[in-house]
Amino acid sequence: AQKITQTQPGMFVQEKEAVTLDCTYDTSDQSYGLFWYKQPSSGEMIFLIYQGSYDEQNATEGRYSLNFQKARKSANLVISASQLGDSAMYFCAMREGKNTGGFKTIFGAGTRLFVKA
Amino acid sequence: GAVVSQHPSRVICKSGTSVKIECRSLDFQATTMFWYRQFPKQSLMLMATSNEGSKATYEQGVEKDKFLINHASLTLSTLTVTSAHPEDSSFYICSARAQRAYNSPLHFGNGTRLTVT
Repeated sequence: AQKITQTQPGMFVQEKEAVTLDCTYDTSDQSYGLFWYKQPSSGEMIFLIYQGSYDEQNATEGRYSLNFQKARKSANLVISASQLGDSAMYFCAMREGKNTGGFKTIFGAGTRLFVKA
Repeated sequence: GAVVSQHPSRVICKSGTSVKIECRSLDFQATTMFWYRQFPKQSLMLMATSNEGSKATYEQGVEKDKFLINHASLTLSTLTVTSAHPEDSSFYICSARAQRAYNSPLHFGNGTRLTVT
């Protein structure tokens, strides 16, 4: 069965510094997609970044980058130059490779990030 | 683009009544929509996959007779919580992909906070 593990329930970072949010996954699929989403206190889910299992280069989107280590099954999110507005819940997610019903996406437990001024 | 609208954002109902939550894709067609449930400070749990024109696919442990899903058009899926009880109180979020591409992320509605008294 597929599984996403986020072991950091909460993280603190000083404004303007970088922070790494950990994510490991387990799947028997060869083809899969990894996503990171941000959920502010207002509740909406915001897509941040995507990494495909066959992508050889780490994904980057502005201040977000994904440290993808396929052999270790990890997909850590790196946020550079943290801003106060980055304070939120962050979820790592995996889209399954087999179409068992629309390519389901499962989520990790999440990490709450606190950015300090 | 890729906006998903969910209504209502909040609802309070009495135990034993039914509540309908609507999820609309405003600027794209969604043959598949996903319904998630989120308990406070917890992750998103996939409840079911809603397929346009056919029956929904429910995840293990989700009662299909309690959580009725109808996907009658390419832009509308509804979740009806039947005979609601206090334990059904939760945050319900729908989502869909705007494109069939494998790297296409989920776009989420803003969620519905259900409180059953």
